[in-house]
Amino acid sequence: EVRLVESGGGLIQPGGSLRLSCVASGIPVSRNYMSWVRQAPGKGLEWVALIYPGGSTYYTESVKGRFTMSRDTSKNMLYLQMNNVGADDAAIYYCARALGIAEPGKGEYFDRWGQGALVNVSS
Amino acid sequence: DIQMTQSPSTLSASVGDRVTITCRASQNINSWLAWYQQKPGKAPNLLIYKASFLEGGVPSRFSGSGSGTEFTLTINSLQPDDFATYYCQEYDTPSRTFGEGTKVESK
Repeated sequence: EVRLVESGGGLIQPGGSLRLSCVASGIPVSRNYMSWVRQAPGKGLEWVALIYPGGSTYYTESVKGRFTMSRDTSKNMLYLQMNNVGADDAAIYYCARALGIAEPGKGEYFDRWGQGALVNVSS
Repeated sequence: DIQMTQSPSTLSASVGDRVTITCRASQNINSWLAWYQQKPGKAPNLLIYKASFLEGGVPSRFSGSGSGTEFTLTINSLQPDDFATYYCQEYDTPSRTFGEGTKVESK
């Protein structure tokens, strides 16, 4: 059974930094496309970041240069380092496994999700 | 940028009803579309991928159809557990864009 468990959420000030973690069980993060998807309070879903099995990372435009997704394959964990956070970054952040077309320029859908980590941004 | 437009935004229905939700893409996405169900306080749950393929464990009353720019999610004989918000998501582009959601509520 696949299980994804996020941690590290909390209250941060605008301009601050936070690192989210996601521990995976049942799947090796090294051999899967893994992603972060967020949902602002009362809003819809937004894809944030993705890491390929080979280690390449991709980001939605609004977080490029501020967020970094990484993994520790020895711990089977994923991370999302969030820097220079703004009010628009307040959301529940879900860790998810992505399954895709595996063609250049294409995307993926998300078949397994964690329960989410809440990030609040306030001064 | 690609846009995904769902309609209606809210749908009132009764148990036993047949419910249809539409998702329109601003450009051709072939059949690269997924549907999710989300209940309050919970993570989304994958229902359909590649426009019409039912994810394992999902009840057969859920079905998806369409290709190109217009897609539908149909729930045959709505059950009490089906009152939730439904999202479409394209994966033809690296944007991986979601629709705004359709809330199915009890009439």
